Amino acid sequence: DGGITQSPKYLFRKEGQNVTLSCEQNLNHDAMYWYRQDPGQGLRLIYYSQIVNDFQKGDIAEGYSVSREKKESFPLTVTSAQKNPTAFYLCASSIVTGANTGELFFGEGSRLTVL
Amino acid sequence: AQSVAQPEDQVNVAEGNPLTVKCTYSVSGNPYLFWYVQYPNRGLQFLLKYITGDNLVKGSYGFEAEFNKSQTSFHLKKPSALVSDSALYFCAVRDRQDYKLSFGAGTTVTVRA
Repeated sequence: DGGITQSPKYLFRKEGQNVTLSCEQNLNHDAMYWYRQDPGQGLRLIYYSQIVNDFQKGDIAEGYSVSREKKESFPLTVTSAQKNPTAFYLCASSIVTGANTGELFFGEGSRLTVL
Repeated sequence: AQSVAQPEDQVNVAEGNPLTVKCTYSVSGNPYLFWYVQYPNRGLQFLLKYITGDNLVKGSYGFEAEFNKSQTSFHLKKPSALVSDSALYFCAVRDRQDYKLSFGAGTTVTVRA
Protein backbone atom coordinates (compact mmCIF):
# COMPACT_ATOMS: atom_id res chain seq x y z
CA ASP A 1 0.00 0.00 0.00
CA GLY A 2 1.16 3.54 -0.67
CA GLY A 3 1.74 5.77 2.28
CA ILE A 4 4.09 7.57 4.62
CA THR A 5 6.13 5.71 7.20
CA GLN A 6 7.56 7.46 10.23
CA SER A 7 9.96 5.84 12.66
CA PRO A 8 10.40 5.40 15.49
CA LYS A 9 6.89 5.87 16.85
CA TYR A 10 8.21 6.59 20.35
CA LEU A 11 11.64 7.95 21.20
CA PHE A 12 13.30 8.98 24.43
CA ARG A 13 16.33 11.22 24.49
CA LYS A 14 18.58 12.69 27.11
CA GLU A 15 19.19 16.41 27.16
CA GLY A 16 22.12 17.39 24.96
CA GLN A 17 21.68 14.56 22.47
CA ASN A 18 20.76 14.91 18.83
CA VAL A 19 18.08 12.57 17.48
CA THR A 20 16.94 11.86 13.93
CA LEU A 21 13.36 11.03 12.97
CA SER A 22 12.82 9.07 9.80
CA CYS A 23 10.14 9.78 7.18
CA GLU A 24 9.75 7.70 4.03
CA GLN A 25 7.00 7.92 1.41
CA ASN A 26 6.16 5.74 -1.59
CA LEU A 27 3.44 8.00 -2.99
CA ASN A 28 5.79 9.55 -5.55
CA HIS A 29 5.05 12.98 -4.07
CA ASP A 30 7.43 15.82 -4.75
CA ALA A 31 6.74 17.87 -1.62
CA MET A 32 7.40 16.79 1.95
CA TYR A 33 6.83 18.56 5.26
CA TRP A 34 7.62 18.32 8.95
CA TYR A 35 5.17 19.63 11.54
CA ARG A 36 5.36 19.77 15.29
CA GLN A 37 2.21 19.27 17.37
CA ASP A 38 1.82 20.50 20.94
CA PRO A 39 -1.43 20.30 22.95
CA GLY A 40 -3.70 23.25 22.25
CA GLN A 41 -1.38 24.76 19.62
CA GLY A 42 -2.30 22.90 16.50
CA LEU A 43 0.42 22.05 14.02
CA ARG A 44 3.41 24.28 13.37
CA LEU A 45 5.58 23.95 10.29
CA ILE A 46 9.25 23.16 10.90
CA TYR A 47 10.66 22.59 7.40
CA TYR A 48 9.34 21.75 3.97
CA SER A 49 10.82 20.59 0.70
CA GLN A 50 9.30 20.92 -2.75
CA ILE A 51 12.03 19.07 -4.63
CA VAL A 52 15.06 16.89 -4.03
CA ASN A 53 18.14 18.72 -2.68
CA ASP A 54 16.10 21.78 -1.75
CA PHE A 55 14.22 22.72 1.40
CA GLN A 56 12.91 25.82 3.19
CA LYS A 57 12.49 26.83 6.79
CA GLY A 58 9.02 26.90 8.21
CA ASP A 59 7.78 28.90 11.16
CA ILE A 60 9.80 27.14 13.89
CA ALA A 61 13.00 25.86 12.24
CA GLU A 62 15.43 26.84 15.01
CA GLY A 63 17.07 23.80 16.59
CA TYR A 64 16.09 21.49 13.73
CA SER A 65 17.78 20.35 10.53
CA VAL A 66 16.66 18.32 7.52
CA SER A 67 18.00 16.80 4.33
CA ARG A 68 16.33 15.78 1.07
CA GLU A 69 18.79 13.57 -0.78
CA LYS A 70 16.10 11.30 -2.18
CA LYS A 71 12.55 11.98 -3.29
CA GLU A 72 11.25 9.30 -0.93
CA SER A 73 13.02 10.42 2.22
CA PHE A 74 12.96 13.55 4.40
CA PRO A 75 14.64 12.90 7.77
CA LEU A 76 14.41 15.45 10.59
CA THR A 77 17.19 15.93 13.13
CA VAL A 78 16.26 17.46 16.46
CA THR A 79 19.47 19.01 17.74
CA SER A 80 20.55 19.85 21.26
CA ALA A 81 19.92 23.50 20.38
CA GLN A 82 16.16 22.91 20.39
CA LYS A 83 15.09 24.25 23.79
CA ASN A 84 11.85 22.33 24.21
CA PRO A 85 11.94 19.27 21.93
CA THR A 86 9.35 17.12 23.69
CA ALA A 87 6.46 16.95 21.21
CA PHE A 88 4.61 14.89 18.64
CA TYR A 89 6.24 15.18 15.21
CA LEU A 90 4.29 14.67 12.00
CA CYS A 91 5.67 14.16 8.51
CA ALA A 92 3.50 14.81 5.46
CA SER A 93 3.73 14.84 1.69
CA SER A 94 1.76 16.22 -1.22
CA ILE A 95 1.79 16.32 -4.99
CA VAL A 96 3.07 19.43 -6.66
CA THR A 97 1.08 20.78 -9.57
CA GLY A 98 0.70 24.13 -11.21
CA ALA A 99 -2.54 24.74 -9.37
CA ASN A 100 -1.17 23.38 -6.10
CA THR A 101 -4.53 22.14 -4.88
CA GLY A 102 -3.34 18.89 -3.34
CA GLU A 103 -4.06 17.97 0.21
CA LEU A 104 -1.36 16.71 2.57
CA PHE A 105 -1.00 13.03 3.41
CA PHE A 106 0.32 12.40 6.92
CA GLY A 107 2.36 9.70 8.58
CA GLU A 108 1.40 8.25 11.96
CA GLY A 109 3.76 10.51 13.86
CA SER A 110 6.75 10.16 16.18
CA ARG A 111 6.50 11.09 19.85
CA LEU A 112 9.76 12.43 21.23
CA THR A 113 10.29 12.74 24.96
CA VAL A 114 13.35 14.38 26.45
CA LEU A 115 14.26 13.02 29.85
CA ALA B 1 0.29 36.13 6.39
CA GLN B 2 -2.34 33.44 6.64
CA SER B 3 -4.06 32.13 9.76
CA VAL B 4 -6.91 29.96 10.96
CA ALA B 5 -9.11 30.32 14.03
CA GLN B 6 -11.14 27.54 15.56
CA PRO B 7 -13.07 29.39 18.26
CA GLU B 8 -14.20 26.32 20.19
CA ASP B 9 -11.72 24.09 22.01
CA GLN B 10 -14.41 21.48 22.56
CA VAL B 11 -17.75 20.53 21.06
CA ASN B 12 -20.06 18.07 22.78
CA VAL B 13 -23.11 16.57 21.09
CA ALA B 14 -25.40 13.59 21.54
CA GLU B 15 -25.31 10.79 19.02
CA GLY B 16 -27.81 11.40 16.22
CA ASN B 17 -27.74 15.18 16.64
CA PRO B 18 -26.19 17.58 14.12
CA LEU B 19 -22.52 18.38 14.55
CA THR B 20 -20.89 21.71 13.63
CA VAL B 21 -17.22 22.61 14.07
CA LYS B 22 -16.43 26.25 13.36
CA CYS B 23 -13.50 27.66 11.41
CA THR B 24 -12.62 31.16 10.21
CA TYR B 25 -9.57 32.06 8.16
CA SER B 26 -7.43 34.95 7.00
CA VAL B 27 -5.40 35.00 3.78
CA SER B 28 -4.21 37.74 1.48
CA GLY B 29 -5.66 36.16 -1.64
CA ASN B 30 -8.09 33.41 -2.51
CA PRO B 31 -7.88 30.44 -0.15
CA TYR B 32 -7.64 26.73 -0.42
CA LEU B 33 -9.36 25.29 2.69
CA PHE B 34 -9.07 21.86 4.26
CA TRP B 35 -10.45 19.81 7.13
CA TYR B 36 -8.55 16.99 8.81
CA VAL B 37 -9.38 14.60 11.65
CA GLN B 38 -6.97 13.08 14.16
CA TYR B 39 -7.52 10.13 16.47
CA PRO B 40 -5.33 9.76 19.60
CA ASN B 41 -1.63 9.21 18.86
CA ARG B 42 -2.28 8.97 15.13
CA GLY B 43 -1.55 11.10 12.10
CA LEU B 44 -4.07 13.41 10.47
CA GLN B 45 -6.62 12.08 8.00
CA PHE B 46 -7.95 14.24 5.19
CA LEU B 47 -11.74 14.85 5.26
CA LEU B 48 -12.46 17.40 2.55
CA LYS B 49 -11.23 20.51 0.76
CA TYR B 50 -12.55 23.62 -0.93
CA ILE B 51 -10.71 24.75 -4.04
CA THR B 52 -13.27 26.53 -6.16
CA GLY B 53 -16.83 26.20 -7.39
CA ASP B 54 -19.76 25.05 -5.26
CA ASN B 55 -19.60 26.52 -1.77
CA LEU B 56 -20.88 23.28 -0.22
CA VAL B 57 -18.22 20.60 -0.23
CA LYS B 58 -18.92 16.97 0.61
CA GLY B 59 -16.24 14.73 2.03
CA SER B 60 -15.49 11.48 3.78
CA TYR B 61 -17.63 9.78 6.48
CA GLY B 62 -20.69 11.95 5.78
CA PHE B 63 -19.00 15.26 6.57
CA GLU B 64 -19.55 18.43 4.60
CA ALA B 65 -18.36 22.01 4.86
CA GLU B 66 -19.67 25.31 3.61
CA PHE B 67 -17.37 28.00 2.29
CA ASN B 68 -18.60 31.53 3.05
CA LYS B 69 -16.38 34.15 1.49
CA SER B 70 -18.08 37.18 3.05
CA GLN B 71 -17.73 35.74 6.55
CA THR B 72 -14.34 34.10 5.79
CA SER B 73 -15.63 30.89 7.30
CA PHE B 74 -15.44 27.20 6.47
CA HIS B 75 -17.53 25.37 9.06
CA LEU B 76 -17.55 21.57 9.16
CA LYS B 77 -20.91 19.86 9.52
CA LYS B 78 -22.44 16.44 9.87
CA PRO B 79 -26.23 15.99 9.96
CA SER B 80 -26.21 13.06 12.39
CA ALA B 81 -23.16 12.50 14.60
CA LEU B 82 -21.83 9.08 15.60
CA VAL B 83 -19.88 8.11 18.72
CA SER B 84 -17.05 7.14 16.37
CA ASP B 85 -16.83 10.78 15.21
CA SER B 86 -15.25 11.65 18.57
CA ALA B 87 -11.80 12.98 17.66
CA LEU B 88 -9.69 16.12 17.20
CA TYR B 89 -10.57 18.18 14.13
CA PHE B 90 -8.29 20.64 12.37
CA CYS B 91 -9.11 23.33 9.86
CA ALA B 92 -6.29 24.46 7.55
CA VAL B 93 -5.77 27.17 4.94
CA ARG B 94 -3.30 27.79 2.16
CA ASP B 95 -2.92 30.88 0.06
CA ARG B 96 -2.97 29.91 -3.61
CA GLN B 97 0.51 31.34 -4.10
CA ASP B 98 2.10 29.39 -1.23
CA TYR B 99 3.00 25.81 -0.42
CA LYS B 100 2.66 26.25 3.31
CA LEU B 101 -0.48 25.00 5.00
CA SER B 102 -1.49 26.80 8.21
CA PHE B 103 -3.53 24.92 10.81
CA GLY B 104 -5.94 25.99 13.50
CA ALA B 105 -5.43 24.91 17.09
CA GLY B 106 -7.96 22.11 16.75
CA THR B 107 -11.39 21.33 18.18
CA THR B 108 -12.03 18.24 20.27
CA VAL B 109 -15.37 16.66 19.41
CA THR B 110 -17.05 14.34 21.87
CA VAL B 111 -20.18 12.48 20.79
CA ARG B 112 -22.00 10.83 23.68
CA ALA B 113 -24.16 7.77 23.24
